[in-house]
Amino acid sequence: AQKITQTQPGMFVQEKEAVTLDCTYDTSDPSYGLFWYKQPSSGEMIFLIYQGSYDQQNATEGRYSLNFQKARKSANLVISASQLGDSAMYFCAMSEISSGSARQLTFGSGTQLTVLP
Amino acid sequence: ETGVTQTPRHLVMGMTNKKSLKCEQHLGHNAMYWYKQSAKKPLELMFVYSLEERVENNSVPSRFSPECPNSSHLFLHLHTLQPEDSALYLCASSQQLIGTEFPSVFGPGTRLTVT
Repeated sequence: AQKITQTQPGMFVQEKEAVTLDCTYDTSDPSYGLFWYKQPSSGEMIFLIYQGSYDQQNATEGRYSLNFQKARKSANLVISASQLGDSAMYFCAMSEISSGSARQLTFGSGTQLTVLP
Repeated sequence: ETGVTQTPRHLVMGMTNKKSLKCEQHLGHNAMYWYKQSAKKPLELMFVYSLEERVENNSVPSRFSPECPNSSHLFLHLHTLQPEDSALYLCASSQQLIGTEFPSVFGPGTRLTVT
């Protein structure tokens, strides 16, 4: 079974509007972390936001917020006030903290976001 | 510049060649990783060096061999590769502490083409 599922291969959003990118995960580990990364066409993976499984509040970083619904095992990324520079591939990833000292990120297949002018 | 550098950025090699990819991190992290990103597939973790422990993905062929001489440098030695090994190879580093999570910082990647 896939540990990270991103069901939207591609998304379009109008500039200045908000967009939600979906991510669901599967783990039996009680302690885990969820990450979102952005990958522009240049190839570099850029860290955006992190949510710990025990965090009580949803994480926010500027225009990025994470809609964490633990019971549903979802960790959707919300980008507010989209900008043209937000056009990129977005990856959801998970680290299972209890699995040992060597943390390993498991990535989803990604969502290609295109911001329209 | 993210603090993680990779060289070369692009590499074209024949199937009989031997080459090495280099990664260096300037962040004082204690863990380093190699990932493979093929077209239309999720990023695949290949190797982890963390707190003097090495973890490897058992599905990685032996034609890939990592080397981590110290906490700042990581190499991926390549030999007798196949065309399906053509991909973007990403290096990452992170600070690992028991019970605490820090994000991995990625390098710009090496675009490898095997002819």
